Amino acid sequence: GQQVMQIPQYQHVQEGEDFTTYCNSSTTLSNIQWYKQRPGGHPVFLIQLVKSGEVKKQKRLTFQFGEAKKNSSLHITATQTTDVGTYFCAGATRDNYGQNFVFGPGTRLSVLP
Amino acid sequence: DAGITQSPRHKVTETGTPVTLRCHQTENHRYMYWYRQDPGHGLRLIHYSYGVKDTDKGEVSDGYSVSRSKTEDFLLTLESATSSQTSVYFCAISGRYSNEQFFGPGTRLTVL
Repeated sequence: GQQVMQIPQYQHVQEGEDFTTYCNSSTTLSNIQWYKQRPGGHPVFLIQLVKSGEVKKQKRLTFQFGEAKKNSSLHITATQTTDVGTYFCAGATRDNYGQNFVFGPGTRLSVLP
Repeated sequence: DAGITQSPRHKVTETGTPVTLRCHQTENHRYMYWYRQDPGHGLRLIHYSYGVKDTDKGEVSDGYSVSRSKTEDFLLTLESATSSQTSVYFCAISGRYSNEQFFGPGTRLTVL
């Protein structure tokens, strides 16, 4: 079945440094979503990418969808302590009902002040 | 946050006992999901529903059943709990026009 992988599993950065997490799917995706989960909390939707090569920005966060629609990345510029949490990508394929996503294992980000 | 609640929030039970977790939404969203979250595995889909009495299996459905008799409620049942079902369970909803999923606060289940 479809597999979604993320690297790195953990990332420790100093406040102000940049951070990137990468998401790779074993199959071509129709769209991909990104979520953030704070420690002890629930996942919160960040963004959805649909088009090949799409780039979206949310303040210090930049999201990219690969040309082949099999990979994606999330880049945070100048991290802050409020960025701490686990970032998950979730990919959907055309074989799915269209509303179901396979989540990656997540990248846990720690930001040292 | 979307109007989605889960009950109970914490439960400790013994192997072999039945357990039912409840997800309740006030958003009138069509789609509802049950996930489990375990270290190193992210979120794995157990079952989902695309309408009242319309449900289907996810990737880790063995040992679980669901029911949806009303739009607002989605129940997850462990017929005979096992220690491997110790996990945090999240319910999620999504709307008709958007794939964005809104997650509930989660239920931490421990099976001894």
